[in-house]
Amino acid sequence: GNSVTQMEGPVTLSEEAFLTINCTYTATGYPSLFWYVQYPGEGLQLLLKATKADDKGSNKGFEATYRKETTSFHLEKGSVQVSDSAVYFCALSGAGGTSYGKLTFGQGTILTVHP
Amino acid sequence: GAGVSQSPSNKVTEKGKDVELRCDPISGHTALYWYRQSLGQGLEFLIYFQGNSAPDKSGLPSDRFSAERTGGSVSTLTIQRTQQEDSAVYLCASSTGQGGYEQYFGPGTRLTVT
Repeated sequence: GNSVTQMEGPVTLSEEAFLTINCTYTATGYPSLFWYVQYPGEGLQLLLKATKADDKGSNKGFEATYRKETTSFHLEKGSVQVSDSAVYFCALSGAGGTSYGKLTFGQGTILTVHP
Repeated sequence: GAGVSQSPSNKVTEKGKDVELRCDPISGHTALYWYRQSLGQGLEFLIYFQGNSAPDKSGLPSDRFSAERTGGSVSTLTIQRTQQEDSAVYLCASSTGQGGYEQYFGPGTRLTVT
């Protein structure tokens, strides 16, 4: 079945540092890939997505590229801010069959950014 | 516009009791999903409704869990004979379609079984 593996956390950075959160997946076919974010006290919200190989999703300075050859979708940001402190989830939506539509999530990575 | 709403926001129940959790999706969204977020298991898919198709119940952990969606809109997740391991945050999401479409999540219902 489908699975998503995220790098172990938590991650603690200073403001303006470079961020990478690794995400790899296992799926048949061509899934869609997502990063969702959960800010303290708030619900899950979509950060960015990519629906086919080599697509780059981007939003709020974050980027991730759908790499089919390495089955990866790593999240990056060049300069983090305190306001980026949150839990980040990598997820995939199956390409078809019984896995179509529903999201499979990684374990989540807690990011804390200090001033 | 209104987002996905869920009620109650918090529910404390005794072991063995039944509970009902409600989800109001975004108007016009044909797909509705239930997930569970717990410390030990992370975020898990439970059940998914798409239009008038039969729901995908493949994520329901036991036959104590059931869900229905009336009139293609509101959904209710029912847990019978609750157990302590059912304690979690239950999240509802809706979307305009399947696959690569964004899912919009509600704030969740925090269920505590004592």
